Amino acid sequence: SSELTQDPAVSVALGQTVTITCQGDSLRKYFPSWYQQKSGRAPTLVIFGKNNRPSGIPDRFSGSTSGNTASLTITGAQAEDEADYYCNSRDSSGYRFSVFGPGTKVTVL
Amino acid sequence: EGQLLESGGGLAQPGGSLRLSCSASGFSSGNFGMSWVRQAPGKGLEWVSAISGSGVMTYYADSVKGRFAISRDNSGNTVYLQMNSLRAEDTALYYCAKGIWEFDYWGQGILVTVSS
Repeated sequence: SSELTQDPAVSVALGQTVTITCQGDSLRKYFPSWYQQKSGRAPTLVIFGKNNRPSGIPDRFSGSTSGNTASLTITGAQAEDEADYYCNSRDSSGYRFSVFGPGTKVTVL
Repeated sequence: EGQLLESGGGLAQPGGSLRLSCSASGFSSGNFGMSWVRQAPGKGLEWVSAISGSGVMTYYADSVKGRFAISRDNSGNTVYLQMNSLRAEDTALYYCAKGIWEFDYWGQGILVTVSS
């Protein structure tokens, strides 16, 4: 399948750790990229490649991949991390070029 | 720091056309692939189209293939999205993004509404 799946929503207590997952066959071949989208704002790249953060992204954000599952972990979640998070990957099926997951809403309690 | 600015959105009738523009500043867009990503109201992100740095290679989502055309003017640092045969389901906020596989700069988005 060329699709990516994500849990619709997760919550995390302030200062605790939360992991968001993204599943799809293409993740066996390609690393995903992860995007944070705060309400009413454009998305921001937070993780790309094996586990790379663009300049300005806090080191509490990290990424990993195992088999067909990629994970984005926020260690020590802050109130400003409340947002929608999307994974994106190349498509390995040949039917699509690029695909986004449906997104995960992260609520910081 | 690089910036992207979209323009050209607005209201179009079903079957009509619009042309979106994305103007890049702070970096030479000709050195990079560029993409369009859209977000329908209250929905998630949907990749729409991409173009290589040279403009030779173009890619489209199945949902827009045959109706939309991406192009670029590297001398003007601008990427375009010509949208024809518009449908109600094309209504969305359209983002221009730098990159093909990883989108490290995004514009603020431009709203396209398709309605009679």
